Amino acid sequence: QSALTQPASVSGSPGQSITISCTGTSTDVGTYNLVSWYQHHPGKAPKLMIYEVTKRPSGVSNRFSGSKSGNTASLTISGLQAEDEADYFCCSHAGIYTYVFGTGTSVTVL
Amino acid sequence: QVQLQESGPGLVEPSGTLSLTCTVSGGSISTTNWWSWIRQPPGKGLEWIGEIYPSGNTNYIPSLKSRVTISLEKSKNQFSLRLTSVTAADTAVYYCVKNGDPFYFDSWGQGTLVTVSS
Repeated sequence: QSALTQPASVSGSPGQSITISCTGTSTDVGTYNLVSWYQHHPGKAPKLMIYEVTKRPSGVSNRFSGSKSGNTASLTISGLQAEDEADYFCCSHAGIYTYVFGTGTSVTVL
Repeated sequence: QVQLQESGPGLVEPSGTLSLTCTVSGGSISTTNWWSWIRQPPGKGLEWIGEIYPSGNTNYIPSLKSRVTISLEKSKNQFSLRLTSVTAADTAVYYCVKNGDPFYFDSWGQGTLVTVSS
């Protein structure tokens, strides 16, 4: 199972919106509405931001939203804030006993 | 929300056994959740290793199934990872994780780096 493809880096100014893509195949992202997104500040525990493509856990800001089209899922951060600067990675269920992760994206707030 | 903390040796010799423990606080390990181990080798992507249910049922990634064991210690609210016959390729940051339902990872530990080297 190959890793999901994400851009290595995305940047934006405070207040702007950015979108991170997560491209898989018809055997993972394209088949299952089971894409999740995680925020990771280095040295800290990764944090769940989105699950089941669009659902946001309690306590996660509504500035974070998820979507999917075909084999590509996306995470959009609106109203970018300095605290959003972190690494983000996606994950998709890919069949029995299989999860596939994204390559990771570093978000920089300019 | 539960908190998870990995512990164990940071250095393991080649051909040896990697053993890590995850201590869960703020909630019981006996709830209806799967508990996973995930790793990330330096400069590489994340890899799900396997999971365990409070009943003791386990699932493992096929590529590691012959070398990995995940177990529970309910009395200590812990679960553990054991990986045998390690090589340098097993050098990674290892995370313990509480699964969400369905098929996502709800809470993570901070991760612990394990280096396989003599």
